[in-house]
Amino acid sequence: AQSVAQPEDQVNVAEGNPLTVKCTYSVSGNPYLFWYVQYPNRGLQFLLKYITGDNLVKGSYGFEAEFNKSQTSFHLKKPSALVSDSALYFCASPGNTGKLIFGQGTTLQVKP
Amino acid sequence: DAGVIQSPRHEVTEMGQEVTLRCKPISGHNSLFWYRQTMMRGLELLIYFNNNVPIDDSGMPEDRFSAKMPNASFSTLKIQPSEPRDSAVYFCASSLAPSGYEQYFGPGTRLTVT
Repeated sequence: AQSVAQPEDQVNVAEGNPLTVKCTYSVSGNPYLFWYVQYPNRGLQFLLKYITGDNLVKGSYGFEAEFNKSQTSFHLKKPSALVSDSALYFCASPGNTGKLIFGQGTTLQVKP
Repeated sequence: DAGVIQSPRHEVTEMGQEVTLRCKPISGHNSLFWYRQTMMRGLELLIYFNNNVPIDDSGMPEDRFSAKMPNASFSTLKIQPSEPRDSAVYFCASSLAPSGYEQYFGPGTRLTVT
């Protein structure tokens, strides 16, 4: 079955430190992969996507993600975390029916 | 562009009442999605439309839920009759196509059924 997994419910990082939010996928064919962020009481916002090409994808707010086909991963990264990055992050990929399969979400907590 | 617009933002109703949630997608987007988010179940896709036609409604919980898209700029999600377990945040999202394109989410409707 096709799936997207985020192995960490919560990630804690100090402001100014690099952050990584992990995502692994199991989808057939060449995957399309997305990251979304959800701030409290808001809808999800698109951050970045991988379709094809360069394995390092740059997105909004200084975030980037690295596609690794051999490890079937698409981890979200940022070199220097901000307190304002604290939010819920979702990885997603369309399954073979076209609809997005979301991971369960990872809460990022950035402490000052 | 104003983004995806949803109304109302908050709805409190009593069990047994009919609830109608509304969504206006981004102009030019051909696909529209209805999601439900709860702490227990996370984010669930209820139904999606492409070119105003329902494509996949396998996520609709039961017959009490129905969705329509009468034209490219408007969709409704109706719950009749509502039950307390329907309490959740309901999101509408739109995209250029069902797959391969990012979805843009509305602010959501927080539904409370007492």
